Amino acid sequence: QQQVKQSPQSLIVQKGGISIINCAYENTAFDYFPWYQQFPGKGPALLIAIRPDVSEKKEGRFTISFNKSAKQFSLHIMDSQPGDSATYFCAASLNSGYALNFGKGTSLLVTP
Amino acid sequence: DADVTQTPRNRITKTGKRIMLECSQTKGHDRMYWYRQDPGLGLRLIYYSFDVKDINKGEISDGYSVSRQAQAKFSLSLESAIPNQTALYFCATSDSSGTGDYNEQFFGPGTRLTVL
Repeated sequence: QQQVKQSPQSLIVQKGGISIINCAYENTAFDYFPWYQQFPGKGPALLIAIRPDVSEKKEGRFTISFNKSAKQFSLHIMDSQPGDSATYFCAASLNSGYALNFGKGTSLLVTP
Repeated sequence: DADVTQTPRNRITKTGKRIMLECSQTKGHDRMYWYRQDPGLGLRLIYYSFDVKDINKGEISDGYSVSRQAQAKFSLSLESAIPNQTALYFCATSDSSGTGDYNEQFFGPGTRLTVL
């Protein structure tokens, strides 16, 4: 059973726009929430991660927003660029370093 | 990531055949993982190993087995392959002694397996 639910499945955004991908989880014991980015033909790579003791983490154009009470977290990509076109996976684990529970992924296309 | 290598990169096999996928890493990490990726299903954990003597089943271990031959090597075997094991397989590593507020998992380039 999927422990992390991700939406939307696919997303098309114009260059310069904001891309938003949402995830929800059920297990309140999860305490590590990373986002991975995957380009075609490559393995996933860590993009940004957050722990539940903070509500937001920003790295460049990428921001994670975390809502502990709602058991939801989201990835915001500001000023989206064609080079951001990739598949994005949210994930959660009980402790950092333990096996990750991944969402099903979101295929993002940023059009010129 | 070039530090995590997987062999073969592509493999076509027939139903009932035994096949082994290999993963090697030069990162010096102690933890290794095998995931399976299917379109629309994301990545699902097959097995994980926290050290050479510690191997654990993941979400979808049925039909698979693993061997941790050394800290740097973690192999995944399909004893009798079946068509629904056709998928993209990823090996990943992490370091339990990692600093910072998380232990990043580093993924290999993947093995595309087709079972006819």
